[in-house]
Amino acid sequence: QKEVEQDPGPLSVPEGAIVSLNCTYSNSAFQYFMWYRQYSRKGPELLMYTYSSGNKEDGRFTAQVDKSSKYISLFIRDSQPSDSATYLCAQSSTGGFKTIFGAGTRLFVKA
Amino acid sequence: DTGVSQNPRHKITKRGQNVTFRCDPISEHNRLYWYRQTLGQGPEFLTYFQNEAQLEKSRLLSDRFSAERPKGSFSTLEIQRTEQGDSAMYLCASSPRGQGAFEQFFGPGTRLTVL
Repeated sequence: QKEVEQDPGPLSVPEGAIVSLNCTYSNSAFQYFMWYRQYSRKGPELLMYTYSSGNKEDGRFTAQVDKSSKYISLFIRDSQPSDSATYLCAQSSTGGFKTIFGAGTRLFVKA
Repeated sequence: DTGVSQNPRHKITKRGQNVTFRCDPISEHNRLYWYRQTLGQGPEFLTYFQNEAQLEKSRLLSDRFSAERPKGSFSTLEIQRTEQGDSAMYLCASSPRGQGAFEQFFGPGTRLTVL
């Protein structure tokens, strides 16, 4: 079993749709939960992070952590074609030196 | 451009050859990481430096792999006697000291193809 499990997709939605991306994790010791976005042939870029549990909102993006079910979610409102990318969820230790990534979900937003 | 840079961007080599990749982190970042990413997978942790000290190595990093970060600035990753299974994207990331340490900034990667 991988430490961070993520449905690889692909997920295809029409422009303007609400997108829900999800991960499960197994290691409860890591307290930072991140979402990275990776465009084709580029390195990942940090989109959002949360510490421990709860919600965090940034513009059209909302990150959610449910520690009781070990579930990480990213919601994208009013999705745009420019949101088409691979979304990677990740966990990190408090010290930041160890980060475990999921396999990524490929998202396509159709105009 | 003040981001993380990696060179070369692409490398094609024959099996058995040695290759070396370079990473230049964001200048004020003291932490540097190497990852390997294959198609359809997320980045897999290889090794981590804090300043010039290599503090963590994955079991994925066989004895054919070696990484250095002299003087705590740029880093190199060398693969000796390359194998076809080494074909992947090699990503470098850096992060600052303190509370933002977990925020890793990635470079564009070096894509290695071993024939």
